Amino acid sequence: DGGITQSPKYLFRKEGQNVTLSCEQNLNHDAMYWYRQDPGQGLRLIYYSQIVNDFQKGDIAEGYSVSREKKESFPLTVTSAQKNPTAFYLCASKGGPDHYNEQFFGPGTRLTVL
Amino acid sequence: AQSVTQLDSQVPVFEEAPVELRCNYSSSVSVYLFWYVQYPNQGLQLLLKYLSGSTLVESINGFEAEFNKSQTSFHLRKPSVHISDTAEYFCAVSEDNFNKFYFGSGTKLNVKP
Repeated sequence: DGGITQSPKYLFRKEGQNVTLSCEQNLNHDAMYWYRQDPGQGLRLIYYSQIVNDFQKGDIAEGYSVSREKKESFPLTVTSAQKNPTAFYLCASKGGPDHYNEQFFGPGTRLTVL
Repeated sequence: AQSVTQLDSQVPVFEEAPVELRCNYSSSVSVYLFWYVQYPNQGLQLLLKYLSGSTLVESINGFEAEFNKSQTSFHLRKPSVHISDTAEYFCAVSEDNFNKFYFGSGTKLNVKP
């Protein structure tokens, strides 16, 4: 089955540590996205990538970094510079015009900083 | 930049009653509109979308939404809700290039027996 996987589902981190969240898709989509979800704030865009080896900052990129070395993978690193990293992180990919430019979401990773 | 407003953070409703979840967006340029549903601790699932054509769009589970360009709205409605509709609903907007999507803050629908 085609889809998006995120791992791990739950992640705990000590303050001052970097942590990397995994996102993999086998939908052959060019575009991928990372969102952060906090209660009552909806989804906020962290980074997005329209094509391999290229990515752009979203609205809240500070304290995060990404890479896009492969079409299937778009890992997100939460660095120690992120002041309030505890949140639910969602990865998405987007089909092209033949898929109505629709976004597909992964199941999410809940990050808790201890 | 586009902004999306969902005025109701929570909507309690009794089973079999009708419901409307409101969504307004800011830009008057060509937009594409989406409603997503999220169950606890899960990702978002597409419920329905408006890209072009008929302004009334329907989902397979009885929801419908109407694109109103003059009021810049895309409200979601269901004539009779079920317990299983309890979830959080997000409205999203994308503009011509589909590069970015803008999400509302979400509305939690709580269907009571």
